[in-house]
Amino acid sequence: QQKVQQSPESLIVPEGAMTSLNCTFSDSASQYFAWYRQHSGKAPKALMSIFSNGEKEEGRFTIHLNKASLHFSLHIRDSQPSDSALYLCAKRSSGSWQLIFGSGTQLTVMP
Amino acid sequence: EAAVTQSPRSKVAVTGGKVTLSCHQTNNHDYMYWYRQDTGHGLRLIHYSYVADSTEKGDIPDGYKASRPSQENFSLILELASLSQTAVYFCASSRQGSYEQYFGPGTRLTVL
Repeated sequence: QQKVQQSPESLIVPEGAMTSLNCTFSDSASQYFAWYRQHSGKAPKALMSIFSNGEKEEGRFTIHLNKASLHFSLHIRDSQPSDSALYLCAKRSSGSWQLIFGSGTQLTVMP
Repeated sequence: EAAVTQSPRSKVAVTGGKVTLSCHQTNNHDYMYWYRQDTGHGLRLIHYSYVADSTEKGDIPDGYKASRPSQENFSLILELASLSQTAVYFCASSRQGSYEQYFGPGTRLTVL
């Protein structure tokens, strides 16, 4: 069964820091990778996505995908307390429209 | 923005009772999904549907049934609720041709 592993499980960083969240996956044929953010008590919401190897930047957020190393990451520059949330990585399940989610990283940004 | 609503938002059920969770979307999306979320497990897919009157099993379907009577509505049914089904349940939808899923606010189910 395809899996997505996330690390670390939780992370506390000071305001203004660079935050890095990581995911590894088992299927190099995967075509769609995304990060979802879930604030406490709220619905998960798509943050960014990428289809092919490389990097994508949107504001303070950057995602990296390296299919050869089966690694996918999210970097947050100048982390803010409002970034505190559960971050879930996801990838498309081969041959379907389903997404497989990682178990999440709980990020806390301290003022 | 896409809109997915769920009802009830929270529910307490007794072991062995029947529970129905409802989901409604106004996005005109073809695909709908039911997930459960437990601490340390992220989101796990229970059932999904690509079209009205048809449902498919996800990764953890045991103990759950699903019903999609129309494009807009998707229900999750627990015929005999068990303690292990205590969790937060999320409904989501996506349009054909896109992988991005839009989630509802969730239902917190407690089985006693």
